[in-house]
Amino acid sequence: GAVVSQHPSRVICKSGTSVKIECRSLDFQATTMFWYRQFPKQSLMLMATSNEGSKATYEQGVEKDKFLINHASLTLSTLTVTSAHPEDSSFYICSARDGTGGANLNSPLHFGNGTRLTVT
Amino acid sequence: AQKVTQAQTEISVVEKEDVTLDCVYETRDTTYYLFWYKQPPSGELVFLIRRNSFDEQNEISGRYSWNFQKSTSSFNFTITASQVVDSAVYFCALSGAKAVGGTSYGKLTFGQGTILTVHP
Repeated sequence: GAVVSQHPSRVICKSGTSVKIECRSLDFQATTMFWYRQFPKQSLMLMATSNEGSKATYEQGVEKDKFLINHASLTLSTLTVTSAHPEDSSFYICSARDGTGGANLNSPLHFGNGTRLTVT
Repeated sequence: AQKVTQAQTEISVVEKEDVTLDCVYETRDTTYYLFWYKQPPSGELVFLIRRNSFDEQNEISGRYSWNFQKSTSSFNFTITASQVVDSAVYFCALSGAKAVGGTSYGKLTFGQGTILTVHP
């Protein structure tokens, strides 16, 4: 079946460094991907919508310069947390909308397994 | 604006008991989709069900059943004869589809989640 691969699953980085998270659709075209953030014991909050070949659409309150999203191909979207700080420590998870055959309301949604980011 | 409310923060039951997880939603969209996901301690989201707003038929899948009541904007989830492996966080989520071509489909608004603990 369709799979979304998210990498890395865990990352620990030092404050001030940048971290890139990849979300890859393995056997389908993902014209649209979504990035969510989940703080410990909290719900998932949508950060941005990533569309292949165009700029991402960010939700209110999400800093676009801090969370850079690139969706350069139909199978890959990346989220880069720039100049990470301890408050960026969180669980980041992507989902991909299967656009094979054209986007429609029956397109399946597939989630990656998430990335746990710890900034020290 | 969309909103999903899962009023039960935590539920604890003993194995073999039936348990119902409540979900109430708000949306102005006439077409929308409701989801349930399971999140085990490992963090990944496990898809359980998707239901569109035009289909109010209840659904049963093994020990799982869902009761969609459009009149009360509720989409409750029942686990029959619970098992220890059912212990997880369960999220109810809502996606609209009002944009042309359904391009907003896939942007999920999640509820706060219900932590289910099933004791042996």
